[in-house]
Amino acid sequence: QKEVEQNSGPLSVPEGAIASLNCTYSDRGSQSFFWYRQYSGKSPELIMFIYSNGDKEDGRFTAQLNKASQYVSLLIRDSQPSDSATYLCAVKWSDKIIFGKGTRLHILP
Amino acid sequence: DTAVSQTPKYLVTQMGNDKSIKCEQNLGHDTMYWYKQDSKKFLKIMFSYNNKELIINETVPNRFSPKSPDKAHLNLHINSLELGDSAVYFCASSQDNLLGRNIQYFGAGTRLSVL
Repeated sequence: QKEVEQNSGPLSVPEGAIASLNCTYSDRGSQSFFWYRQYSGKSPELIMFIYSNGDKEDGRFTAQLNKASQYVSLLIRDSQPSDSATYLCAVKWSDKIIFGKGTRLHILP
Repeated sequence: DTAVSQTPKYLVTQMGNDKSIKCEQNLGHDTMYWYKQDSKKFLKIMFSYNNKELIINETVPNRFSPKSPDKAHLNLHINSLELGDSAVYFCASSQDNLLGRNIQYFGAGTRLSVL
């Protein structure tokens, strides 16, 4: 059974601080890793994707992948109230994408 | 201009009825999906079609039947609706490549309420 695990939260972070979201996955054969953001009542939208070990930066967002530890994380710098949402980690195996249950992030003004 | 559109946005119906949700994508993608998101916000894949062929069929009751008339459309038909079918159903599409990279674009969702 392939699994993607996330802490459900809520994770509360002061405005302007760094928010750190974590995700672990069960299968070493995983190929691709994604972070989606979902606002309440809306559909998921892609924030970041990463395929290789290391860091990938895009604006205020940094995705980190460690395949040896089967761990992927998302850092949000200079957190804004508009970052308050549920963040879904997704992992691709073969033809299938498995989503984690999401972490609710709350940015405190 | 909507990339992935699904209708209806809201669907309220009685137990035992049969209903359909339609999905269309104008991105030229080869693969389309149906996901179910329950009240606990867990997003779970139900079906995946690639070029009109079923490639993923998770453990879903056979009351759920996807139909793909062409690669731009993937409709979901549900027979004999049950209370537990109440959820938000998302359609998505992606363009796979040989490296296995697969960015999914989601529709706005259909909120199904079974009374």
